Amino acid sequence: DIQMTQSPSSVSASVGDTVTITCRASEGLSSYLAWYQQKPGKPPKVLIYGASDLQGGVPSRFSGSGSGTDFTLTISSLQPEDFATYYCEQAYSFPFTFGQGTKLEIK
Amino acid sequence: QVQLQESGPGLLKPSQSLSLTCTVSGGSISSGGVYWSWLRQHPGEGLEWIGYISDSGSTYYNPSLKSQVVISLDTSQNQFSLRLSSVTAADTAVYYCARVTYYYHRSGYQPVFDYWGQGTLVTVSS
Repeated sequence: DIQMTQSPSSVSASVGDTVTITCRASEGLSSYLAWYQQKPGKPPKVLIYGASDLQGGVPSRFSGSGSGTDFTLTISSLQPEDFATYYCEQAYSFPFTFGQGTKLEIK
Repeated sequence: QVQLQESGPGLLKPSQSLSLTCTVSGGSISSGGVYWSWLRQHPGEGLEWIGYISDSGSTYYNPSLKSQVVISLDTSQNQFSLRLSSVTAADTAVYYCARVTYYYHRSGYQPVFDYWGQGTLVTVSS
């Protein structure tokens, strides 16, 4: 299985800040990476696929980059509704696997 | 707007079988080009993909669960189901059903979990 490692595991930030979350894969994924946002008691919601393609309806303050084994999710100008847990997920090979999550908290 | 809703028992005893159903509304489960998936999330932890089934009935399972899992399709009811046999406390989790659509990007087509049910907590306890 491909192992996905996110860092940091948690981060504190203020409204208006820019935050970057990193995801590293144990082997190359090309661009077959997605990012999901999950709020407490809710299912995950896809933000980005193909490492950098924004899902329809997702605000442009979310952006993704990377290929191969190293990827980043950047959230610019943080809004109150962005405080949540973020997961990366590889869809390069079976079984699909997720990172352990990064919890974004309000400072 | 596609909606998914899980249903099934919330409490099981060890060694029993878990059976969950996902009812799909707002779209046909037989529409081509999509897959129907189950995932789970252990309390306070990350997400684990269990498997998925195509609209034609082809299945793909996570090898870590393959010996326990069966995913099936009921097109007449617009539902798909998960059966997990011989459960233990380690199977306690929130179970989600989700639709998988293949999206095109610069490297090819990628499966994306684009619609999810709200999740159902299944507890295994004696």
